[in-house]
Amino acid sequence: GEDVEQSLFLSVREGDSSVINCTYTDSSSTYLYWYKQEPGAGLQLLTYIFSNMDMKQDQRLTVLLNKKDKHLSLRIADTQTGDSAIYFCAGTSGTYKYIFGTGTRLKVLA
Amino acid sequence: GAVVSQHPSWVICKSGTSVKIECRSLDFQATTMFWYRQFPKQSLMLMATSNEGSKATYEQGVEKDKFLINHASLTLSTLTVTSAHPEDSSFYICSAPRDRGTYGYTFGSGTRLTVV
Repeated sequence: GEDVEQSLFLSVREGDSSVINCTYTDSSSTYLYWYKQEPGAGLQLLTYIFSNMDMKQDQRLTVLLNKKDKHLSLRIADTQTGDSAIYFCAGTSGTYKYIFGTGTRLKVLA
Repeated sequence: GAVVSQHPSWVICKSGTSVKIECRSLDFQATTMFWYRQFPKQSLMLMATSNEGSKATYEQGVEKDKFLINHASLTLSTLTVTSAHPEDSSFYICSAPRDRGTYGYTFGSGTRLTVV
């Protein structure tokens, strides 16, 4: 089955950029997603990228997709304390059945 | 738009009792609802997929008789944890498809279940 791996923790200083990485095994995902989960809450869709794109920018968020290496990253520019949360990447092969990554806990230091 | 309301946010129950968790789509019709379980500091594990008017589809290893799912209407899906035990303590989250084009999900806010 699909495996989606992420580094567990990332700590950055306020104002710096954060880069959260994700690697996956199944390249059939039509879309790849980034979700944010704040403590004790559900998941919030941050952004997504279509599998035939290399990059997508949405305000402070930049998603890079390297299909050859099966690598997805999320860059958050000018990271703020409110960005502290767990970030999940997820893939789907054209259905609604997601495979979520292990999650990266981002801590932003003031 | 596309809000999923999940209740309760947290519940504490005694071993052996049953707990019902509700997820309602407030401004759209959810013909499908996904139920996830999340252990502390871990990712989401898909438990089952509920479809309005038909039986739920359970993932391998999930006990159907333990986790009863009902999707009685286009706006309501429920998960009942029957005869709860401490090992059932977890964070349960529902989600519904909200965007046919991109397969985006809308998530409920989650229910923290503690069985004592």
